[in-house]
Amino acid sequence: ETGVTQSPTHLIKTRGQQVTLRCSSQSGHNTVSWYQQALGQGPQFIFQYYREEENGRGNFPPRFSGLQFPNYSSELNVNALELDDSALYLCASSLRGGPSYEQYFGPGTRLTVT
Amino acid sequence: GENVEQHPSTLSVQEGDSAVIKCTYSDSASNYFPWYKQELGKRPQLIIDIRSNVGEKKDQRIAVTLNKTAKHFSLHITETQPEDSAVYFCAASKGAQKLVFGQGTRLTINP
Repeated sequence: ETGVTQSPTHLIKTRGQQVTLRCSSQSGHNTVSWYQQALGQGPQFIFQYYREEENGRGNFPPRFSGLQFPNYSSELNVNALELDDSALYLCASSLRGGPSYEQYFGPGTRLTVT
Repeated sequence: GENVEQHPSTLSVQEGDSAVIKCTYSDSASNYFPWYKQELGKRPQLIIDIRSNVGEKKDQRIAVTLNKTAKHFSLHITETQPEDSAVYFCAASKGAQKLVFGQGTRLTINP
């Protein structure tokens, strides 16, 4: 198991609502990446945060936004939820500038939009 | 942008046989190629990775090979066991930047 935690584990929301997902990175890591994994698909990159700044963004609309805090934990916010937002949301932490490129994944948050 | 193609999408092998999963990538600047195993409802777990300055890496029953010229890399699992059954994903990145994943391979080991 990695030291990356996510909350909540599961979430059910209604179309049009807003949601906030949280991620605590592994101790010593300074970078958090967020991925969306639809059922039966590979994870898709949403964005990455390094030192509280967005450092790269995938092909997701602006209603997907994020934050990184001074302790390197992170939030993913999704506004105006759509049915297609139903997915497993994974965060991964890593140490930018370190010897390893490995990203350590959290257990994910399963979001269901009805 | 980077695109990673993975095949086959499903693979069924007899216990004890070998399994091979192949991926191709499009961005020649990619230099890091991890493989993840994901069991149902669980997080992706890194099983092996390789950097572009290495052609092959082995860890017990698992090996990865990389052909930079052809821009493809492969996962080899030998002496397969029932616990190897899972979905496997390849990925590519430039260093610690975003991972671009393949579509996944569902591997089934038949006893």
